[in-house]
Amino acid sequence: RKEVEQDPGPFNVPEGATVAFNCTYSNSASQSFFWYRQDCRKEPKLLMSVYSSGNEDGRFTAQLNRASQYISLLIRDSKLSDSATYLCVVTPGGSGGSNYKLTFGKGTLLTVNP
Amino acid sequence: DTAVSQTPKYLVTQMGNDKSIKCEQNLGHDTMYWYKQDSKKFLKIMFSYNNKELIINETVPNRFSPKSPDKAHLNLHINSLELGDSAVYFCASSQGPGNAGANVLTFGAGSRLTVL
Repeated sequence: RKEVEQDPGPFNVPEGATVAFNCTYSNSASQSFFWYRQDCRKEPKLLMSVYSSGNEDGRFTAQLNRASQYISLLIRDSKLSDSATYLCVVTPGGSGGSNYKLTFGKGTLLTVNP
Repeated sequence: DTAVSQTPKYLVTQMGNDKSIKCEQNLGHDTMYWYKQDSKKFLKIMFSYNNKELIINETVPNRFSPKSPDKAHLNLHINSLELGDSAVYFCASSQGPGNAGANVLTFGAGSRLTVL
């Protein structure tokens, strides 16, 4: 099982749609979880952290299920500008440098159509 | 003012050559990274330095040698380039271990290396 797995998509949705992405991780000791966004031919940028109790930032909601080892990202009222690749990111447990080795999923490509 | 800047942005070179990519950050971060993103878009860590000290060294051919002259700079030198080295190389930085932002990376714009 890969360390971090995501459905690569592509997801094609109309403007205004709600879309959800899931991501599973293999290391049950993983401590920190994030969603990053990468536009075409650009660098990844932090979208949001994922907290144990779930968290929301505007139209974006992130949730963590430690028992099933997955995290999710929900985007409501999709905009054209949401078109990007969404990367699930996990840090391993442990101390020292290894805990800063962010492991990226391959990403899920989202295209929002007019 | 660019937070994490890397040069060159594009690099096209022949197999067997040696090349360097430079990275600088003005965020005051203690930790810097090199990531490689291949043609399948998989982003994989190569190295990380915290305050000039190597803390992460993944299984990378020893043709790749990072150097951190100070905590604001992390360069990557690649010897004897191979076709499989073609990728986008991203530099990134974050706060140091133990800080709230230790896992929040700011990436540079990437350096696209093409080996012919």
